[in-house]
Amino acid sequence: QKEVEQNSGPLSVPEGAIASLNCTYSDRGSQSFFWYRQYSGKSPELIMSIYSNGDKEDGRFTAQLNKASQYVSLLIRDSQPSDSATYLCAVKSGGGADGLTFGKGTHLIIQP
Amino acid sequence: GAVVSQHPSWVICKSGTSVKIECRSLDFQATTMFWYRQFPKQSLMLMATSNEGSKATYEQGVEKDKFLINHASLTLSTLTVTSAHPEDSSFYICSARLAATDTQYFGPGTRLTVL
Repeated sequence: QKEVEQNSGPLSVPEGAIASLNCTYSDRGSQSFFWYRQYSGKSPELIMSIYSNGDKEDGRFTAQLNKASQYVSLLIRDSQPSDSATYLCAVKSGGGADGLTFGKGTHLIIQP
Repeated sequence: GAVVSQHPSWVICKSGTSVKIECRSLDFQATTMFWYRQFPKQSLMLMATSNEGSKATYEQGVEKDKFLINHASLTLSTLTVTSAHPEDSSFYICSARLAATDTQYFGPGTRLTVL
């Protein structure tokens, strides 16, 4: 059973601070990793993808991947109230399977 | 770019009826589309993988005769929930994969309520 684990939260962060979201996965053969943002009642919106170990930065967002530890994280700098949402970690395994396995998501609240 | 639409955005139906949901990639061709389901306060669960011109691949526990998937063109996949029951009420979301990548873009979802 392929699993993706996230702390459900809520994670409360003051406006302007750095929000740190974490995710672990069970399938060591996983190849591709994604962070999606989901507002209540809406579908997921892609934030970032990461495929190799290390950091990847895109604007205020930085994704970090450590395949040895089976760990993915997302940092949000200068957090804004509009960043308040549920953040979903998704993993694509190897072996030809195309679908994504999602974590349950972390509910992030940015306090003004 | 990479816009995916779904129709309808919500539907209410009586138990025993069938409901068809359409998923379209608007500005790119998608050889592979996916159907997910999300129950309240749960994460997305993959139901099936839809490949253009071939039969869909269903995840374990998903009844292929109940959830009919057709992917007749590179921009359209449909999911038909047959003989819907109240337990099928959920948020159904499709995604389309951008060619030569692993990236999936999601449609806005369809909220199904079966009375």
